[in-house]
Amino acid sequence: GESVGLHLPTLSVQEGDNSIINCAYSNSASDYFIWYKQESGKGPQFIIDIRSNMDKRQGQRVTVLLNKTVKHLSLQIAATQPGDSAVYFCAEMIGGGYQKVTFGTGTKLQVIP
Amino acid sequence: GAVVSQHPSRVICKSGTSVKIECRSLDFQATTMFWYRQFPKQSLMLMATSNEGSKATYEQGVEKDKFLINHASLTLSTLTVTSAHPEDSSFYICSARSGQTRTDTQYFGPGTRLTVL
Repeated sequence: GESVGLHLPTLSVQEGDNSIINCAYSNSASDYFIWYKQESGKGPQFIIDIRSNMDKRQGQRVTVLLNKTVKHLSLQIAATQPGDSAVYFCAEMIGGGYQKVTFGTGTKLQVIP
Repeated sequence: GAVVSQHPSRVICKSGTSVKIECRSLDFQATTMFWYRQFPKQSLMLMATSNEGSKATYEQGVEKDKFLINHASLTLSTLTVTSAHPEDSSFYICSARSGQTRTDTQYFGPGTRLTVL
């Protein structure tokens, strides 16, 4: 049968507030990072990416911050909306020509109307 | 954005049978496709990387004889779960990369829910 599911960390945010989702990565050789959004029963959807030579990148309502010193990544969502409710995964890619994307454990974002 | 489809979206099969899952890139050519599996409330785990016209590269611990991958064209990759058992029940997701560069965007399919009785 299926493995017992782990309890996903959950972030509850009031509609209209800003959300900050954090991610720690382990491999200092990673040089490319991506945030994905996954709604229930669906595949992941690309949100934003950042390369290791940057520490901040902005998109529409989203900002990704990268701190290579402490191997930390965050996703900021401005003016959170009910449609933002989903599980968010950070993912990393190791440099040196590798093309494998390794996903983090995920954070569930619940938006309270 | 680019569209990736999977078929079927759900499949229920008896233990011991084989199941084929298709992954198609609908509006772009994908030289590289990836297959993942995801258990409930867990992250995606890469199973294999598939390049068009060549053998797939499997991740450690993934049995290549059990999970057969065929990437016969630039728009189609298939995953066949052979002699499926209940522990193979999972959510299988493919992705297709839109370009040749490793950091080109991967577009994910909607997933296939496999239940093995």
